Amino acid sequence: NAGVTQTPKFQVLKTGQSMTLQCAQDMNHNSMYWYRQDPGMGLRLIYYSASEGTTDKGEVPNGYNVSRLNKREFSLRLESAAPSQTSVYFCASSRGWDAAEAFFGQGTRLTVV
Amino acid sequence: QKEVEQNSGPLSVPEGAIASLNCTYSDRGSQSFFWYRQYSGKSPELIMFIYSNGDKEDGRFTAQLNKASQYVSLLIRDSQPSDSATYLCAANSANAGGTSYGKLTFGQGTILTVHP
Repeated sequence: NAGVTQTPKFQVLKTGQSMTLQCAQDMNHNSMYWYRQDPGMGLRLIYYSASEGTTDKGEVPNGYNVSRLNKREFSLRLESAAPSQTSVYFCASSRGWDAAEAFFGQGTRLTVV
Repeated sequence: QKEVEQNSGPLSVPEGAIASLNCTYSDRGSQSFFWYRQYSGKSPELIMFIYSNGDKEDGRFTAQLNKASQYVSLLIRDSQPSDSATYLCAANSANAGGTSYGKLTFGQGTILTVHP
């Protein structure tokens, strides 16, 4: 049982390049999330999908887009990467109700040069 | 801006001691609180969650919640070197309609080192 799987694990981009981070969960969870983690700042929510077919902005959405492809998959796209987007990105999923715990993928370490 | 603040750390305790990690939150609408452990270079893993005032115990871990004071804590008894990690406090983050859909607001984390 894989849980939450993210690809790729590492990526280096040049400023202005685009890329898509992929995420898939096999726990039949309703809700999925993208967080970024920067040193000393904890995790901040970029976008989330409460259920299949819906997406909404989190705390730091600028420069990102998302797609909830189906119940299993939730992708994060950087259209024109900037050095400020250098971070570790985590995808997570949960059953989606208020007390539901979130399970995290292994993370993508992205460097924009 | 909804905020979760953790004691800044880093925190260093000897093996066998009690480690105390603290967290305050600003959103009175938050109902559920989570403690995650994150080893260096790894993803966060859930240790405990709590949503009722009082204490909740699970093995060597005890979570405490005081909604009136907007305060959450995690006690680790008989600390082991393997407990050395960053501990993240999180609160569910409700929309204007009152539902969080599992969204979390995280504190900045406290680095715990348990030395032999």
